[in-house]
Amino acid sequence: GAVVSQHPSWVICKSGTSVKIECRSLDFQATTMFWYRQFPKQSLMLMATSNEGSKATYEQGVEKDKFLINHASLTLSTLTVTSAHPEDSSFYICSPQMLGQETQYFGPGTRLLVL
Amino acid sequence: GQQLNQSPQSMFIQEGEDVSMNCTSSSIFNTWLWYKQDPGEGPVLLIALYKAGELTSNGRLTAQFGITRKDSFLNISASIPSDVGIYFCAGPIQGGSEKLVFGKGTKLTVNP
Repeated sequence: GAVVSQHPSWVICKSGTSVKIECRSLDFQATTMFWYRQFPKQSLMLMATSNEGSKATYEQGVEKDKFLINHASLTLSTLTVTSAHPEDSSFYICSPQMLGQETQYFGPGTRLLVL
Repeated sequence: GQQLNQSPQSMFIQEGEDVSMNCTSSSIFNTWLWYKQDPGEGPVLLIALYKAGELTSNGRLTAQFGITRKDSFLNISASIPSDVGIYFCAGPIQGGSEKLVFGKGTKLTVNP
């Protein structure tokens, strides 16, 4: 399977600060990046989709100005949670996908706790 | 929108028992994916199914793509403690999208 890394694996921050999460595909080039959010005891919910070099498209109900996504290269995408609040505390998981790849692989996730 | 209904929601079994869980939808799916998620980790792909009626095994795991393309099941034989986790079914949203929709998961507990 594909090797995907996320950094940091967990982060605790104060309300109002911004947090950047990195996702790297280590052994393939990701033309598309999916970002998911998972609240405790719930399933994964897609937040946004980005293609390398293009603006991300966001799912309904996800604020694009709050969750900034950058997909500047085929091996790196970042998700920045701006002005984080306690309700943003969640598990954020990326899923890079190579063009033509039939299955999706996921990163190990980043646990965000906003105090 | 498309939804995947997974059952059961949770299972408590003894080590060595076989397990079966399933996933249904009112919509047709062209691909069914089964993932396992350990606490604090991202989902790991277990089995991918691409054809109606397809039966695929991966070690002690067996999954089938329903002939109607609206359901799939996952079986685990001779369960062991490390099978503990949450199992999710997933499928691509219609319209040629690569976006996935996930079921709510089946939480499996295996008692040694």
